[in-house]
Amino acid sequence: EVQLQQSGAELVKPGASVKLSCTASGFNIKDTYMHWVKQRPEQGLEWIGRIDPANGNTKYDPKFQGKATITADTSSNTAYLQLSSLTSEDTAVYYCARESYGKGAMDYWGQGTSVTVSS
Amino acid sequence: DIQMTQSPASLSVSVGETVTITCRASENIYSNLAWYQQKQGKSPQLLVYAATNLADGVPSRFSGSGSGTQYSLKINSLQSEDFGSYYCQHFWGTPYTFGGGTKLEIK
Repeated sequence: EVQLQQSGAELVKPGASVKLSCTASGFNIKDTYMHWVKQRPEQGLEWIGRIDPANGNTKYDPKFQGKATITADTSSNTAYLQLSSLTSEDTAVYYCARESYGKGAMDYWGQGTSVTVSS
Repeated sequence: DIQMTQSPASLSVSVGETVTITCRASENIYSNLAWYQQKQGKSPQLLVYAATNLADGVPSRFSGSGSGTQYSLKINSLQSEDFGSYYCQHFWGTPYTFGGGTKLEIK
């Protein structure tokens, strides 16, 4: 069974960084793209970026350049999202999702990780 | 960047009715479009990919259509479990932007 298990909720102080994880089971992340999506409270979905774990290549929405860094560890079948210099604008739920090569859609999603930025 | 304009932003409908949600891209996206459903407090779920292909397990009352810059998601005979938010997303060159969403509510 395909599953994406995300790390737990985070409460972080302004200016700090946080690293979220997304561990896959039931498939090998090297055979897919892994995406990250942001959703602020009561707002829509924002695509942050994706990684090709097979070679480490990444693509980002320009508005997240410098804010988000996506990495992957194929040995643990895990994708990561690091967010830096956090502000209240980064308070959101962050989802990881899988895209099978060539499908052009995210067919499995993690349960989401809530990040709250507050002093 | 390609902009996705989704309409309507909200819709109040009754069980059994038919609904159409539209998404317009700022340029041709060559059918590289997906539709997702999201229920309150849950992760989004894929409904349609490549504009017209139903994802595994999606009921046949859902259908996707369109080409070029104009796309639609149609839901026939709405069921109670269909209420929630719907999003389109293009996959024609990064960034893969989402539409603003459509909130489907019970009348």
